[in-house]
Amino acid sequence: ETGVTQTPRHLVMGMTNKKSLKCEQHLGHNAMYWYKQSAKKPLELMFVYSLEERVENNSVPSRFSPECPNSSHLFLHLHTLQPEDSALYLCASSQDLVSANTGELFFGEGSRLTVL
Amino acid sequence: AQRVTQPEKLLSVFKGAPVELKCNYSYSGSPELFWYVQYSRQRLQLLLRHISRESIKGFTADLNKGETSFHLKKPFAQEEDSAMYYCALLPASGANNLFFGTGTRLTVIP
Repeated sequence: ETGVTQTPRHLVMGMTNKKSLKCEQHLGHNAMYWYKQSAKKPLELMFVYSLEERVENNSVPSRFSPECPNSSHLFLHLHTLQPEDSALYLCASSQDLVSANTGELFFGEGSRLTVL
Repeated sequence: AQRVTQPEKLLSVFKGAPVELKCNYSYSGSPELFWYVQYSRQRLQLLLRHISRESIKGFTADLNKGETSFHLKKPFAQEEDSAMYYCALLPASGANNLFFGTGTRLTVIP
């Protein structure tokens, strides 16, 4: 499989649950990103990893915990979320950090999260 | 702080008519600007970047620093152009974040 793959595509969880979103890229890229897309709001960058090192954390609540075990995989661990965290979570990758390359991000199809 | 504004949430044009999707930005430096597109049931993907000065699928976009705009234009819209379009800004070198607008849904009416 090629490109950026996200699982699960849909997730419903209670506020006390712990779940994880997974992202895998088969493009040989060095940088990976988590974005949040809420209704009527722009995409918000959450985390950036370059060669498995976190390089950016945009004031994201600690109930979101990223993990990048290698340059091909990125996880977003979720615990004690709030209903306002319901959104589409997009993973993306790029050859190198977006500032160092052409600005092209390759996106996954997203994981639609609903917090009850 | 940087900000990207796409004033139109929805835009409908007839096939063959010209189309212009508006994008305005606020940023004190010299940004790089991009247009991303999401077709139905497909993932978000890069359409074009201003530094390339290229035409992709008949679309062009000119960076107007005086008006801080980066409008996307096509002289003759096609049905397959119907999609969600996002304008994005990359601040000066060293930034790792693409700032996106809220998007414009373009519908081309046959």
